[in-house]
Amino acid sequence: AQSVTQLGSHVSVSEGALVLLRCNYSSSVPPYLFWYVQYPNQGLQLLLKYTTGATLVKGINGFEAEFKKSETSFHLTKPSAHMSDAAEYFCAVSDTGGYNKLIFGAGTRLAVHP
Amino acid sequence: EPEVTQTPSHQVTQMGQEVILRCVPISNHLYFYWYRQILGQKVEFLVSFYNNEISEKSEIFDDQFSVERPDGSNFTLKIRSTKLEDSAMYFCASSSQSTNYGYTFGSGTRLTVV
Repeated sequence: AQSVTQLGSHVSVSEGALVLLRCNYSSSVPPYLFWYVQYPNQGLQLLLKYTTGATLVKGINGFEAEFKKSETSFHLTKPSAHMSDAAEYFCAVSDTGGYNKLIFGAGTRLAVHP
Repeated sequence: EPEVTQTPSHQVTQMGQEVILRCVPISNHLYFYWYRQILGQKVEFLVSFYNNEISEKSEIFDDQFSVERPDGSNFTLKIRSTKLEDSAMYFCASSSQSTNYGYTFGSGTRLTVV
């Protein structure tokens, strides 16, 4: 069965600092991997996804993530945090094929301090 | 940009009552989903729907739940006899090959069972 582990339920960074949100997955088949962001009282917005091809994927708002098969990881990074990045971030995995259900991690709440 | 629309945004219902949560997926999408998020917990898959039938459902999606696409635009989730533990945020999502497997989520319906 697939699963997602997000290390750190809360991460706090200073404005301008590097953001690193960790995600490890377990899957018996080549996975599709996603990062979603959820702002307070809003829905889930897709940040970026990995399906096939280049393992470093770039998303919206300056975020990027790298698929590392050997480490079963898909960590999310942003070189310089902005106050508006404060939100909850969810990593998710689905079976290859794209139309299968998403399995979400527990989420990481990112706080950005001035 | 096309959106998935959910109504109502917030619904309060008494235990034992039936509720219908409504969703309008993106018009050219063919795959539809319901997820839920209990307060403070991870987002959980409920059901996926394609070609007018359920393609997959989770253990959560028991006999009290049903989904329907009554016309060409709406996608509904019915909970027949609500329980206190059904209180959660319910998200509708849709997907298609043209989105390269990026699901689009609605803003959610917060269901409170009292």
